Amino acid sequence: NAGVTQTPKFQVLKTGQSMTLQCAQDMNHNSMYWYRQDPGMGLRLIYYSASEGTTDKGEVPNGYNVSRLNKREFSLRLESAAPSQTSVYFCASSGGQGRSYNSPLHFGNGTRLTVT
Amino acid sequence: GNSVTQMEGPVTLSEEAFLTINCTYTATGYPSLFWYVQYPGEGLQLLLKATKADDKGSNKGFEATYRKETTSFHLEKGSVQVSDSAVYFCALSEGGTSGSRLTFGEGTQLTVNP
Repeated sequence: NAGVTQTPKFQVLKTGQSMTLQCAQDMNHNSMYWYRQDPGMGLRLIYYSASEGTTDKGEVPNGYNVSRLNKREFSLRLESAAPSQTSVYFCASSGGQGRSYNSPLHFGNGTRLTVT
Repeated sequence: GNSVTQMEGPVTLSEEAFLTINCTYTATGYPSLFWYVQYPGEGLQLLLKATKADDKGSNKGFEATYRKETTSFHLEKGSVQVSDSAVYFCALSEGGTSGSRLTFGEGTQLTVNP
């Protein structure tokens, strides 16, 4: 079972470059999320999509855009990368919808991004 | 807003020692509480959860009890193994119409030595 698949696993960018992080899930989940993980700060929500066709800002959305391409895929785009965006990025999905907020999140293995 | 505070790490134990990782939370409503574990090079995995006060979540020898009176959800294990070495995250869910949005603590690194 693939679960949540993220690409690429590693990426190095120069300041000002752009890139898109890809995420796909094969569990027929409605909700998908992008988090970033920084040392000593846990995981912080960047954007989420509660269902196909909707996206909403999380805690730290500045500098990012997202696209919920279809039910399976949720991409994260950095238009002009900055050193402050050096982090590990995790995509996650859950079967929860509406008030079903107890559904666990299923995470991908992460993308380690360095911006120089 | 909601927040989660975990005990500072890292934590280093010998095999078969007792483990406690403290977690306290602040929430306006009645959240669900979770512990996630992250092994090196991997994403987070759900370890256990509790959805209402006095519930006890348990899995793989780990336990945590939802204590509303102390707003805590401490993780415990009676006898740790080397394979338990990982980063542990406490988290709470926000209710409403936003699916399973989670607020995470900062994580606690556990190292178990043989």
